[in-house]
Amino acid sequence: DTGVSQNPRHKITKRGQNVTFRCDPISEHNRLYWYRQTLGQGPEFLTYFQNEAQLEKSRLLSDRFSAERPKGSFSTLEIQRTEQGDSAMYLCASSFFTGTSGNYEQYFGPGTRLTVT
Amino acid sequence: DQQVKQNSPSLSVQEGRISILNCDYTNSMFDYFLWYKKYPAEGPTFLISISSIKDKNEDGRFTVFLNKSAKHLSLHIVPSQPGDSAVYFCAASELGTALIFGKGTTLSVSS
Repeated sequence: DTGVSQNPRHKITKRGQNVTFRCDPISEHNRLYWYRQTLGQGPEFLTYFQNEAQLEKSRLLSDRFSAERPKGSFSTLEIQRTEQGDSAMYLCASSFFTGTSGNYEQYFGPGTRLTVT
Repeated sequence: DQQVKQNSPSLSVQEGRISILNCDYTNSMFDYFLWYKKYPAEGPTFLISISSIKDKNEDGRFTVFLNKSAKHLSLHIVPSQPGDSAVYFCAASELGTALIFGKGTTLSVSS
């Protein structure tokens, strides 16, 4: 199966610890997006990459959060000094878009559920 | 300030009937609209989309209607099936960048 994959699926950590999540997009997709979803809300945009370039960051992405996509393939999202408010489902999505053509549809992975105790 | 709103948190429909899920938006720069379906503990699954230059798009049992003047779109599911029971999210995009989601509508289809 060549869908979007995310690891780990679940992460429990203590407040103040650092965590890192990984996302592997659909292989031919050049755009990769990170979202966060909390209970009762829709997914909220965090950041996105086109190839290895980070093109946009939401104001939700505080300086404790950093995302990378070093070779334009997989991406990592790191949260430093986690807080209880960081508990959420972290979703990754990918799409193929050239700026003049392509698909707007984003395909999501299964998510990583983070619990900060 | 929510740019995409789904004002009905839940909808109950009998099997075989039509389900109509509604969505309103405020940003006139949105040029693409999408519907996603989500089961618990899974990521959203893409269902159907529509460009702002169209007013209707069909895919099997799913039809999306767009009324730009009213800034309103709807998803019709005909006929509804028990397997359609899930949370449905409306999302909008400007130039293929971030998706802005509504809060979702929980659809329950009873047999």
